[in-house]
Amino acid sequence: EVQLVQSGAEVKKPGESLKISCQGSGYEFSTHWIAWVRQLPGKGLEWMGIIYPGDSDSRYSPTFEGQVTFSADKSINTVYLQWSSLKASDTAIYYCARRVGTSTAYNWFDPWGQGTLVTVSS
Amino acid sequence: QSVLTQPPSVSGAPGQRVTISCTGSRSNIGANYDVHWYQQVPGTAPKLLIYSHTNRPSGVPDRFSGSKSGTSASLAITGLQAEDEGDYYCQSYDSTLSGWLFGGGTKVTVL
Repeated sequence: EVQLVQSGAEVKKPGESLKISCQGSGYEFSTHWIAWVRQLPGKGLEWMGIIYPGDSDSRYSPTFEGQVTFSADKSINTVYLQWSSLKASDTAIYYCARRVGTSTAYNWFDPWGQGTLVTVSS
Repeated sequence: QSVLTQPPSVSGAPGQRVTISCTGSRSNIGANYDVHWYQQVPGTAPKLLIYSHTNRPSGVPDRFSGSKSGTSASLAITGLQAEDEGDYYCQSYDSTLSGWLFGGGTKVTVL
């Protein structure tokens, strides 16, 4: 079974750093792009960017460029989403999802991780 | 700004048919990029419902169907059931963003 499993919920203070993870199994992890998606409380889905675990090539949505960093460790089938200085406005659920499809024009996301709730509060 | 526009909510009685629209532009749906749909039951992660306009992954009931015309796409749910309540999102690639867009989401309520 193809699945993505994310790390557990986090509670942090503004200004703190954080790294959350997403581990894949059931397929060739290093050859499929992984997307990160944010869901603010009570809101919709926002594409943050995407990373290729094979070589850590990353693309960021303009909204998130410079605000977060993606990384990968293909030896343990894991990608990471990292903040160097959290803000209260980063409070959200963060999902990872595998990109499927051979061409950009036809890509969809499946499966999704269960989500990681990040709460930033003083 | 690149957006995919969905109605905030739709509702219907059990057994009825409801449709959800997803309106884009020439930089996404109108550029012939595929449209995909996701279902998010409250408290859970999104799940792929329809890919490439009309295709259902294994396990998705045939009550769900998708279509596309011009710069818009639609998701139809026939024979509405209580378990269909949740939020539904469309998604497509956008050439201006050079990335992927999600619609704002539509909340489906079964009356």
